[in-house]
Amino acid sequence: SVLTQPPSASGTPGQTVTISCSGSSSNIGGNTVNWYQQLPGTAPTLLIYADNQRPSGIPDRFSGSKSGTSASLAISGLQSEDEADYYCAAWDDSLIGRLFGGGTRLTVL
Amino acid sequence: QVHLQEWGAGPLKPSETLTLTCAVYGGSLSGYYWSWIRQPPGKGLEWIGEINHSGSTTYNPSLRSRLAISVDTSKRQVSLRLTSVTATDTAVYYCARLVRFLGGNYFDPWGQGTLVIVSS
Repeated sequence: SVLTQPPSASGTPGQTVTISCSGSSSNIGGNTVNWYQQLPGTAPTLLIYADNQRPSGIPDRFSGSKSGTSASLAISGLQSEDEADYYCAAWDDSLIGRLFGGGTRLTVL
Repeated sequence: QVHLQEWGAGPLKPSETLTLTCAVYGGSLSGYYWSWIRQPPGKGLEWIGEINHSGSTTYNPSLRSRLAISVDTSKRQVSLRLTSVTATDTAVYYCARLVRFLGGNYFDPWGQGTLVIVSS
């Protein structure tokens, strides 16, 4: 994927986990980043939009940030129900289309 | 609250045409773009394309030659047509509302998805 995420991440309950998303000037560097959570067997749902905004109903344990051509999703106070796949997404000015990262599978140990 | 429901035909054979429909419940098509996104089994998400209520489309360049997305505002439905399918088109296909605002956009909500299998 043009947006690069680590394939896996893990943590124990209560810990803070950070998932990275690396891109380029044509996508993350020039456009906002969204994050989606996909619980097992379900459709993705919006988690973070516009780099760091939480939709209503999303706990403040989830936070997003961006610096240059990279973005990050941080999950604090990790809970078992956070076990899911997480995807970053951004518009790409060169592709003239929308990109998703390859996804990161989060395991809560 | 907006709810999306996708459906389509059963298993397809290679070279056939995939047709899917997404119905929008609880909201208007106006003011939004409506997108198709797919996910091959065990793999990540791929944006397919999108359309607004007026019929203006944007397609993934890798699929553009085989793809057509249309809208029926009277039925509040969005349709996807993908020709000459192969096994690599096997995926769960989602429709999603694209919310655009000054400074960005995001997909919300998503439909539950429909699995399309292409097999000889």
